[in-house]
Amino acid sequence: NAGVTQTPKFQVLKTGQSMTLQCAQDMNHEYMSWYRQDPGMGLRLIHYSVGAGITDQGEVPNGYNVSRLNKREFSLRLESAAPSQTSVYFCAISTSSWYEQYFGPGTRLTVT
Amino acid sequence: SQKIEQNSEALNIQEGKTATLTCNYTNYSPAYLQWYRQDPGRGPVFLLLIRENEKEKRKERLKVTFDTTLKQSLFHITASQPADSATYLCALGTQPSNTGKLIFGQGTTLQVKP
Repeated sequence: NAGVTQTPKFQVLKTGQSMTLQCAQDMNHEYMSWYRQDPGMGLRLIHYSVGAGITDQGEVPNGYNVSRLNKREFSLRLESAAPSQTSVYFCAISTSSWYEQYFGPGTRLTVT
Repeated sequence: SQKIEQNSEALNIQEGKTATLTCNYTNYSPAYLQWYRQDPGRGPVFLLLIRENEKEKRKERLKVTFDTTLKQSLFHITASQPADSATYLCALGTQPSNTGKLIFGQGTTLQVKP
């Protein structure tokens, strides 16, 4: 997980609460993305960014907002958490979607 | 609809044998296909990338093939070891290259028995 940090590592929320997951990189890559991983579903792309201020939707964007204020950081916000958002969230960075992705260690989120 | 399919059943093989994992896709025109390894509780780690104009790629004991006619990639681990036990994920890069998405399959778990 070289060069990619995610905070927090674990989080428990109640339904309706909000929170922001943080991702930061020190590899100077343009492309950053957020995935969620659920048993039997694999990794599903939530949102991605090709540069500061430029974001786009992935496969499962509903219920999530993202922000890329600078090249280094990409945050994922849950405005009103739901139990269906219980998952492991991974941030990944790269020079583009087509090249080697470097994943962070993940954030394990439980919504009760 | 677009689909990426990996065998959801775990693959169990004996140490020393060759493991072969399959990645099939429909309704995609990927220019790249990637393979990752994921250990429990950790993020995926990149293994190999193969381009659509490449038939085969090798790295040490790993070999990947890419058949755009069959819409299939095969991932081989030769002389497998218990340390190769993990979940292996394939991923397709969609067009265009600078703004496209990387979409993953659900992964296949490999168990290598000593």
